[in-house]
Amino acid sequence: EAGVAQSPRYKIIEKRQSVAFWCNPISGHATLYWYQQILGQGPKLLIQFQNNGVVDDSQLPKDRFSAERLKGVDSTLKIQPAKLEDSAVYLCASSLGHNNSPLHFGNGTRLTVT
Amino acid sequence: GESVGLHLPTLSVQEGDNSIINCAYSNSASDYFIWYKQESGKGPQFIIDIRSNMDKRQGQRVTVLLNKTVKHLSLQIAATQPGDSAVYFCAEKDTGGFKTIFGAGTRLFVKA
Repeated sequence: EAGVAQSPRYKIIEKRQSVAFWCNPISGHATLYWYQQILGQGPKLLIQFQNNGVVDDSQLPKDRFSAERLKGVDSTLKIQPAKLEDSAVYLCASSLGHNNSPLHFGNGTRLTVT
Repeated sequence: GESVGLHLPTLSVQEGDNSIINCAYSNSASDYFIWYKQESGKGPQFIIDIRSNMDKRQGQRVTVLLNKTVKHLSLQIAATQPGDSAVYFCAEKDTGGFKTIFGAGTRLFVKA
């Protein structure tokens, strides 16, 4: 099966600029996740969708981050305006959605904010 | 904060030896545990999982052990190979199963 697709692979922006990341999950996966992974740390959940509804966005900095999954398939994550501390790898993952289903990750977008 | 942690940030083993990576968790409500492998420039890759009603599960060259009494999880890799060099994360889900929480990771170096 095709894996989770993410683009772009890399992005470099200046602080206060905006940026958007795109994710296409594995076909049939109801649950989609965005994680932030800062260098040397484990992934931290930003937002979780079940189909096109938000299940958990408690860790999403909503003053600058937004995400949507309008048709319950693809998703975009946006940062506006970016800060230096947003430099990280942004990972998208998907799963079948039942309790004991593991996450399948894309290769992420590496964001550098200068 | 994160409820899943790891004892050692790095582990170096000789090729062919067995590797043991440890993980402690603090949430008693967690009932599903997963090990992921992350190679440089890639996303985490599922290795093996275990439910809380089990204490051991084996895969191909990997075994996961769960000790609920002391809230400890371990990943054993048999006959470690250079391709096993990566960062290994343990992760947990609680009873509701909605949120997967990751630990900080252990970097495994395999010496030829």
